[in-house]
Amino acid sequence: KQEVTQIPAALSVPEGENLVLNCSFTDSAIYNLQWFRQDPGKGLTSLLLIQSSQREQTSGRLNASLDKSSGRSTLYIAASQPGDSATYLCAVRQRGAQKLVFGQGTRLTINP
Amino acid sequence: AAGVIQSPRHLIKEKRETATLKCYPIPRHDTVYWYQQGPGQDPQFLISFYEKMQSDKGSIPDRFSAQQFSDYHSELNMSSLELGDSALYFCASSLGSSGGNYNEQFFGPGTRLTVL
Repeated sequence: KQEVTQIPAALSVPEGENLVLNCSFTDSAIYNLQWFRQDPGKGLTSLLLIQSSQREQTSGRLNASLDKSSGRSTLYIAASQPGDSATYLCAVRQRGAQKLVFGQGTRLTINP
Repeated sequence: AAGVIQSPRHLIKEKRETATLKCYPIPRHDTVYWYQQGPGQDPQFLISFYEKMQSDKGSIPDRFSAQQFSDYHSELNMSSLELGDSALYFCASSLGSSGGNYNEQFFGPGTRLTVL
């Protein structure tokens, strides 16, 4: 059974810092991995998707990497801003399945 | 750009009542997924449909059923509601079911169901 873990559970940093969020998964037989952002009580916004054959994806100040063999992904946020404050969730899609299995998320607070 | 539409956005029901949640996928998306997110929890997969056929099934209670219609919209029917069914219910959609494409799932804003 696939299990996804995100560390840390919460992170608070001053504005302008570069930061890294971590995601690990137990079964490396994945189809893809997605990073999402969720504001309190709101929906999930897809940030980046990495196919199992890819090593990284970039979108603006965000860069996500994938090391399938070690079961790890990282989300790098450059020059953080208060508007980046949200919960960040990673989710993996297993080969042969449709569903996404989510981690518990990292609650990020960027202090002005 | 068009997004996933869910209705209603909020729903309040009494125990043992029924509820129907609707989902309209992004145009041309043929796959829909339903997830349940309890307070402080991560989203849990319920069920998915591709081209109107059930494509995957998760921890969906027997009291719940869902279907996808010819226009690709989907409905989640929930009966004999329990207090523990109170949650945020998300629908997501993607293009394609397998191989050769990215299957990125795009989520709707959710329906907040409160069972009293």
